[in-house]
Amino acid sequence: AQSVTQLDSHVSVSEGTPVLLRCNYSSSYSPSLFWYVQHPNKGLQLLLKYTSAATLVKGINGFEAEFKKSETSFHLTKPSAHMSDAAEYFCVVSSGSSNTGKLIFGQGTTLQVKP
Amino acid sequence: DAGVIQSPRHEVTEMGQEVTLRCKPISGHNSLFWYRQTMMRGLELLIYFNNNVPIDDSGMPEDRFSAKMPNASFSTLKIQPSEPRDSAVYFCASSSTSGRRNEQFFGPGTRLTVL
Repeated sequence: AQSVTQLDSHVSVSEGTPVLLRCNYSSSYSPSLFWYVQHPNKGLQLLLKYTSAATLVKGINGFEAEFKKSETSFHLTKPSAHMSDAAEYFCVVSSGSSNTGKLIFGQGTTLQVKP
Repeated sequence: DAGVIQSPRHEVTEMGQEVTLRCKPISGHNSLFWYRQTMMRGLELLIYFNNNVPIDDSGMPEDRFSAKMPNASFSTLKIQPSEPRDSAVYFCASSSTSGRRNEQFFGPGTRLTVL
């Protein structure tokens, strides 16, 4: 079975400092992995995705994530936080080999950015 | 493309009333998902369709909830009768499973308040 664990429910950083949001996954096969962002009172937006190509994935707004199979991790990073990055972030894994598009969502990490 | 369209954006109703939420997926997408988001439970998958057929409705909370997808461009989620604990934001998402990339595109959500 596939699952995803976001290791921090809440992360607080100062503006201009690096961001690290941690995610570990469990999958019995080579997964597709995603990070979504949700700003307050908005829908979810795709930040980036890994689908078995390059292990370092670049997304929108300066975010990156690195797929590490040996550590079963897919941590999200950004070199310098901006106030507009304050939001809820979800790590997501594809559900299985069946081609139905179902995704498994983590519980989310709230990113707070202090001025 | 207009993206996933949901209506209404906000719904306030009284306990016992029937509520119908609507979703138009992105044209060409063959999978559609209904989610519910609350502070207590986070993001929950209620049901999903593939090629208009319900694949997994195990997330539907109880018989008061029902969902239909009469054609590839329209789906409804109905709650009858509604209860205050149904108050949440309901999201619809769609994806194309060709190539198994499985990225889901989310609508803006319907904020439901049951008094």
